[in-house]
Amino acid sequence: EAQVTQNPRYLITVTGKKLTVTCSQNMNHEYMSWYRQDPGLGLRQIYYSMNVEVTDKGDVPEGYKVSRKEKRNFPLILESPSPNQTSLYFCASSRWTGVEGSEKLFFGSGTQLSVL
Amino acid sequence: GDSVTQMEGPVTLSEEAFLTINCTYTATGYPSLFWYVQYPGEGLQLLLKATKADDKGSNKGFEATYRKETTSFHLEKGSVQVSDSAVYFCALSDEEFWGQNFVFGPGTRLSVLP
Repeated sequence: EAQVTQNPRYLITVTGKKLTVTCSQNMNHEYMSWYRQDPGLGLRQIYYSMNVEVTDKGDVPEGYKVSRKEKRNFPLILESPSPNQTSLYFCASSRWTGVEGSEKLFFGSGTQLSVL
Repeated sequence: GDSVTQMEGPVTLSEEAFLTINCTYTATGYPSLFWYVQYPGEGLQLLLKATKADDKGSNKGFEATYRKETTSFHLEKGSVQVSDSAVYFCALSDEEFWGQNFVFGPGTRLSVLP
């Protein structure tokens, strides 16, 4: 079954304690991206990756890191979480079609993060 | 930069009522347009899409037409069901800016009452 898998589903942590949210897709997609969802703000892009070892900042990258060492995995790292990073996070992936234009995004089920 | 504006809601309707959720966009290129739906506790999933002007996307009784002249992509359904209760996101994808090209609106929460 084609899917994007995020873990954990829920996470409660304290300020400053490093954490990683994992994301894995089994569709051999080139493009992967992280979003955060906040009430009234919709989805905002944090980081994206066009392919292995190719990553770039989205609209709200401050306080986050990512890596893309393998095509299927795209972990989101919070080196020193702060309360303003409390949010619902989504990983997404998509096939890269080049000149054919954009494919739809496949989303994971989300990670609800609370930073105390 | 590119942006998407949609009515924020919440929208509350009775079962079998007609639904319209407005969406307008600004983009520098020639975007593809999408509606995504998020059911409670789940991630977003594609509802329908349109890739060029005058295209109509449709799925599960929902429709939206890509109107370049009014830069709009309004979502409609003739008769909503309780199971349609969800948050609906309008989005665009601009091929001129591939990596950051999925831009989402703020979402519209729909509640359908029996």
